Amino acid sequence: QVQLQQSGPGLVKPSQTLALTCDISGDSVSSNSAAWNWIRQSPSRGLEWLGRAYYRSKWYIDYAVSVKSRININPDTSKNQFSLQLNSVTPEDTAVYYCARVFGYHWKFDYWGQGIPVTVSS
Amino acid sequence: QSALTQPASVSGSPGQSITISCTGTSSDIGSYELVSWYQQHPGNAPKLIISEVSDRPSGVSNRFSGSKSGNTASLTISGLQAEDEADYHCCSYTGTATYVVFGGGTKLTVL
Repeated sequence: QVQLQQSGPGLVKPSQTLALTCDISGDSVSSNSAAWNWIRQSPSRGLEWLGRAYYRSKWYIDYAVSVKSRININPDTSKNQFSLQLNSVTPEDTAVYYCARVFGYHWKFDYWGQGIPVTVSS
Repeated sequence: QSALTQPASVSGSPGQSITISCTGTSSDIGSYELVSWYQQHPGNAPKLIISEVSDRPSGVSNRFSGSKSGNTASLTISGLQAEDEADYHCCSYTGTATYVVFGGGTKLTVL
């Protein structure tokens, strides 16, 4: 059974960096069959895909156009986890942030982390 | 504003059937059989209930079914039960630099 456990602060000041981690159990971050995603949810924007990391003989990382200039997703094979960094945050980045797995090539998010509500405020 | 359009709310009585629509474009729903649906109870993460338009993951009730016609996907819930009261989100692959888009979510109320 795959489990995703998220951690990170729930409050970030404007212009600073939002940093979250997703610990994986029951699968491997370097699996050749999975992709590891970050998704956020806010009342104004609904669910929004932010990006993914996946391994297919080498690492591939893709980002949503809306955040591409200020996002980093990093897999850590030694800890079997992946992380999200979102730079230069504004109150518009206030949301619940989820990590999620896609297995295979069919873009279905089959396992989700518990979600972390993040508020951007001074 | 979400890329896929869903009704904000639907309602039905126990035992009835309801259908939630999800309208996209020829660049997403209309081009790919990669529509998925998620059920979300308050305070919980979304749960996958339909993938690839109409496939049900193991453990999901057969009261949930999905379909697609043109640029519109649909989720039907038959034999409504109180536990079905939740938000439902659709999602589609886009084949563009956007990769994947979601609907705005539909709140289902079981009367």
